[in-house]
Amino acid sequence: QKEVEQDPGPLSVPEGAIVSLNCTYSNSAFQYFMWYRQYSRKGPELLMYTYSSGNKEDGRFTAQVDKSSKYISLFIRDSQPSDSATYLCAMANAGKSTFGDGTTLTVKP
Amino acid sequence: DAGVIQSPRHEVTEMGQEVTLRCKPISGHDYLFWYRQTMMRGLELLIYFNNNVPIDDSGMPEDRFSAKMPNASFSTLKIQPSEPRDSAVYFCASSLGTGVSPLHFGNGTRLTVT
Repeated sequence: QKEVEQDPGPLSVPEGAIVSLNCTYSNSAFQYFMWYRQYSRKGPELLMYTYSSGNKEDGRFTAQVDKSSKYISLFIRDSQPSDSATYLCAMANAGKSTFGDGTTLTVKP
Repeated sequence: DAGVIQSPRHEVTEMGQEVTLRCKPISGHDYLFWYRQTMMRGLELLIYFNNNVPIDDSGMPEDRFSAKMPNASFSTLKIQPSEPRDSAVYFCASSLGTGVSPLHFGNGTRLTVT
């Protein structure tokens, strides 16, 4: 079993929809929780991070962490075609980040 | 800042040949990571360095893979001999410290071994 499991997708939604991306993890030692966005033929770039349970909001993006359930989510409100990308969850401990396999999102105009 | 720079962007080689991938991290970053990305296995950590010293190479698949960081501004990942199953996108990333410090990725080297 992988340490980090991510809902595989792909997801295709109309512009303006609310998107929910989800990951579960098994390693209780993970301390930091991150979401990266990866456009085609580019490297991943950090979108959001948090280290505590609860919600963190940044514009149209909300990251949610539930440590008791070992579950994290990323919500995208009012999705735009420019949000079309692969989203990777990542969890870190002691300098190492472990990534989910990614969910590819397409937002159609 | 130019970001993390990787070269070459694409590499096509024949099985058995030596391949060298190069990375220039962001100036001032003290951590450097090599990742491999494939459809089957996702993004896997191969090795990481702190202040030019290898800290954890447990992700290096086998002895055919080696990585060096001779100074703070340069790292190489070498595969010798290469095999078709090594075909993947190899990413280098750097960060300032650990924990909440984000990884800054290069745009990767797409390796094809025929």
